[in-house]
Amino acid sequence: QKEVEQDPGPLSVPEGAIVSLNCTYSNSAFQYFMWYRQYSRKGPELLMYTYSSGNKEDGRFTAQVDKSSKYISLFIRDSQPSDSATYLCAMSPMDTGRRALTFGSGTRLQVQP
Amino acid sequence: DSGVTQTPKHLITATGQRVTLRCSPRSGDLSVYWYQQSLDQGLQFLIQYYNGEERAKGNILERFSAQQFPDLHSELNLSSLELGDSALYFCASSVEGVVGQPQHFGDGTRLSIL
Repeated sequence: QKEVEQDPGPLSVPEGAIVSLNCTYSNSAFQYFMWYRQYSRKGPELLMYTYSSGNKEDGRFTAQVDKSSKYISLFIRDSQPSDSATYLCAMSPMDTGRRALTFGSGTRLQVQP
Repeated sequence: DSGVTQTPKHLITATGQRVTLRCSPRSGDLSVYWYQQSLDQGLQFLIQYYNGEERAKGNILERFSAQQFPDLHSELNLSSLELGDSALYFCASSVEGVVGQPQHFGDGTRLSIL
């Protein structure tokens, strides 16, 4: 069983929809959570990061962490065709010197105009 | 632009050969992480260097090695290449010792083994 599970999709939504992307994890040592967006032939681009349970909002994006359930989510409001990409959740222990990331497999999102 | 620079963008070579991938971290970042992205395994951590010294190892093959130089750039060396080594190789950099500082990724080197 993988330490981080993520639905691979693809997920297809109409423009303007609210998108919900989710990951579950099994390692209790994970304390630091990130969402990256990856366009084809590009590197992962950091969208959100948090180390607290609860919600963190940044523009159209909201990251949600529930450590008790080992579940994290990313919500995208008013989705745009430019949001079409692969979304990767990533997490690491809180060790400030060694924070190798463990990634989910990524969810492909397609926003239809 | 993340500020992390990787060269070359694309490498094509044959089985049994050796290649070197280069990464320049963001200004001020002391840590460099190397990751491999393949279709079947996803993004997997290979190795971390901090200020010139190896700090953590992940799923890195013995045929692979890395180093970080005094100017903080890093190189990943892949030898005795096999078809299965074809993948995207990313480096990421971060400030360490500070809670809340994430890793920023370069655009990767695409390695194709023929």
